[in-house]
This record gives sequence, structure tokens and C-alpha cells, in this order.
Amino acid sequence: DSGVTQTPKHLITATGQRVTLRCSPRSGDLSVYWYQQSLDQGLQFLIQYYNGEERAKGNILERFSAQQFPDLHSELNLSSLELGDSALYFCASGGYDSTDTQYFGPGTRLTVL
Amino acid sequence: GENVEQHPSTLSVQEGDSAVIKCTYSDSASNYFPWYKQELGKGPQLIIDIRSNVGEKKDQRIAVTLNKTAKHFSLHITETQPEDSAVYFCAAILGYSTLTFGKGTMLLVSP
Repeated sequence: DSGVTQTPKHLITATGQRVTLRCSPRSGDLSVYWYQQSLDQGLQFLIQYYNGEERAKGNILERFSAQQFPDLHSELNLSSLELGDSALYFCASGGYDSTDTQYFGPGTRLTVL
Repeated sequence: GENVEQHPSTLSVQEGDSAVIKCTYSDSASNYFPWYKQELGKGPQLIIDIRSNVGEKKDQRIAVTLNKTAKHFSLHITETQPEDSAVYFCAAILGYSTLTFGKGTMLLVSP
């Protein structure tokens, strides 16, 4: 158990809809990273928040957004969903730098029908 | 573009054999190289990492070697056991940014 929690575990929705994925980092970690894992693209970094502020941005679509709240939990919002958004979404928690160990949560499996 | 190449994509070994997974990276400024293990239905778990100031690091049956000149690093697992079966990912920091992951290697250890 990494100490990182993610909800929900599974999410099934329709194209055009909007969903919110939630992540709580390990106690003491100030960073939350979001990743998308799909069969064709592998594990892709989306965005990092550190202590409530956006710190780094990766291949995140404009339809996707995230935020980190004062209690350090984070939410990833996915809107106008397309079939291709079906994937596993992981959050990881860690320190300020990417060179600090990242601890991954169990993931949310999103299926868009 | 900046990327991390990982080989092989699948690897089958007999219990007790050694397994080697190799990765190459494109950014000569990269200085941190972690390896993650992902079991079915779970998130990736860090198993070992190496920084650019050392050439090799070992932790029990797992070792990682780094060749900065050639821009490649490898994961070595000795005396493999069935519970080593999983997908292994290498990663590197590219462009002073965040972790870029290889495509993964599915390791199958047969009893």
C-alpha cells in the first residue's frame, strides 16, 4: 500500500460527459502528479501540483483540468469525453522535484462508451 | 523528440534465471533514472533508482547500471521468482521537466 488513495476505482460514462477523479496524497507529501496510462501511449504525465499551485504541465488536453485543494487532495476534471479518453488514470504523490520518489495510487479506470 | 526507449517489450524466463531490461534516453542532461514495477490491477511501484553520479546500484536481487556516455541504463534481476512477473517501466527526466516513461516490459517467470 503506497498510502495514496484514488476514487473511484472504476468509472463508466458516455461520450460528451464530464467526470471528476479524486486523489489524496501520502501524509507529508505536498506534490500530486496525474498520469494517463493507455495501451498505445503508455504512461503519460499530465500535470503536477505542489502545495496548491500548478508546477509542471505535460501532455494534458485543454478539455482536462486539475486543481489541488488546501488539504492537499487533488481532483482531475475530464470534460467533453471522447472514446479515446478511456484509460487508466493514476495520481502519484511526492516532493517538489520529479527526482523525489513518486508513490502511485491504485488508479481509476475510465471507460467512455 | 525527447523520449525513453525500452527493450524488450516482453521477456519470458525460467524461475532462477536472470532477466535484463534495457532503456535508452535522448537527453544527455538527464540525471535521475527510476524503475517501476506494475502488477496487474495496481499502480506502479518504485523498485530501484539511480542518479547520474553513480554507475551501478544494487538492492538484493535487483541491480541497475547506468552508462551516461552511451545514454543507456539497465535493470538486472537475478534468481527470478514467479512473483517477479509483472510489467516493468524505466523512466528518466527529460528536458529538466518531469518523468518520461518507457513503454514497459512484461516479464513472465515460469516455475
